[in-house]
Amino acid sequence: KAGVTQTPRYLIKTRGQQVTLSCSPISGHRSVSWYQQTPGQGLQFLFEYFSETQRNKGNFPGRFSGRQFSNSRSEMNVSTLELGDSALYLCASSGTGDLNTEAFFGQGTRLTVV
Amino acid sequence: DQQVKQNSPSLSVQEGRISILNCDYTNSMFDYFLWYKKYPAEGPTFLISISSIKDKNEDGRFTVFLNKSAKHLSLHIVPSQPGDSAVYFCAASQYPRDDKIIFGKGTRLHILP
Repeated sequence: KAGVTQTPRYLIKTRGQQVTLSCSPISGHRSVSWYQQTPGQGLQFLFEYFSETQRNKGNFPGRFSGRQFSNSRSEMNVSTLELGDSALYLCASSGTGDLNTEAFFGQGTRLTVV
Repeated sequence: DQQVKQNSPSLSVQEGRISILNCDYTNSMFDYFLWYKKYPAEGPTFLISISSIKDKNEDGRFTVFLNKSAKHLSLHIVPSQPGDSAVYFCAASQYPRDDKIIFGKGTRLHILP
């Protein structure tokens, strides 16, 4: 069974640009969550999608947005990039959304804003 | 407001000894707790979990203990092995599971030869 796939793995962008990251969850999983990992901040929750609907949102500015498609693939968009957006962005998928199940993570996209 | 706290950024343990990683939480509504392990350049991988109806869960060398009254959980690794060197994240969620898993900042575990 294929794992969670995130593309691209690495990205370098300039301040003010926008970026789109992609996540393909494990086949059959309908829940996709996005996290930002920066040194010293651990994993901070961005948002979670379930069946194409945003179900939860973390405390990030509106420059961070996302969407989920009917095949459960998800994209995350960051507009007007700032230097502080440089981070590892991780996507996680999980199965039912109802039970206490663990989330499976992708390898992440390393975003560097210069 | 940090709801899940891992107060030790790093920990060094001799190979073969016990590693104990600690985690505190503030939200009494959390009822499901997880530990993830992360190697550099890889996404976190699930290690072990515990529901609030239990106070201990064991899986091989890994045991998680939950003390609800103290809002504290710990991960014990016995015996510690070199491959255990990684960053360990404590995480929590609440029922009905809304998929908003809250993570701590992580503890870097170094297993010394």
